[in-house]
Amino acid sequence: SQQGEEDPQALSIQEGENATMNCSYKTSINNLQWYRQNSGRGLVHLILIRSNEREKHSGRLRVTLDTSKKSSSLLITASRAADTASYFCATDSNQAGTALIFGKGTTLSVSS
Amino acid sequence: DSGVTQTPKHLITATGQRVTLRCSPRSGDLSVYWYQQSLDQGLQFLIQYYNGEERAKGNILERFSAQQFPDLHSELNLSSLELGDSALYFCASSPIAGLNTEAFFGQGTRLTVV
Repeated sequence: SQQGEEDPQALSIQEGENATMNCSYKTSINNLQWYRQNSGRGLVHLILIRSNEREKHSGRLRVTLDTSKKSSSLLITASRAADTASYFCATDSNQAGTALIFGKGTTLSVSS
Repeated sequence: DSGVTQTPKHLITATGQRVTLRCSPRSGDLSVYWYQQSLDQGLQFLIQYYNGEERAKGNILERFSAQQFPDLHSELNLSSLELGDSALYFCASSPIAGLNTEAFFGQGTRLTVV
């Protein structure tokens, strides 16, 4: 079962624009992670934010976490064509023990 | 390169057959996770092993089984294959069993059942 749900499912923007993706989850978490997947390839870790953190930055990435709303957002600033990929949020889950549970992802398309 | 190696990269087999997917985790990582990715179901967690022991179980079918060997590599066995088992199967590894660290994913095995 999915723990996180990303929104929107698909996003198309121009190079230089910012891209915002949202993730909502159902149960309490210890941390939330964002991953990126280029078409048909393995997932690559982007950023981890702990439940006691509200915001985290990594290069052009900014992640926020609102545990009261059970939601997180990933902002990519000044998007590039190379940012075209699917982005997934992942949370731990009491049901699955110590495994990461992924949402269905947001497909981002950045055109030049 | 994540350091996680999965073999084979592609596999085509017939319904009813059995296949074995192999995963070598990053050097030093004790935890191995298996995921199935299909268009309709997204990325589904199957099973986790930590230092040779099963640690967590997700949506793994009874026809599927896995194990982790003393050298920490893992195998996922899929039997009585059905068309619906066609998917990308990913292995991921992490240093510890908990989730306060990132997971490193292999490039996946694309399984096609015909």
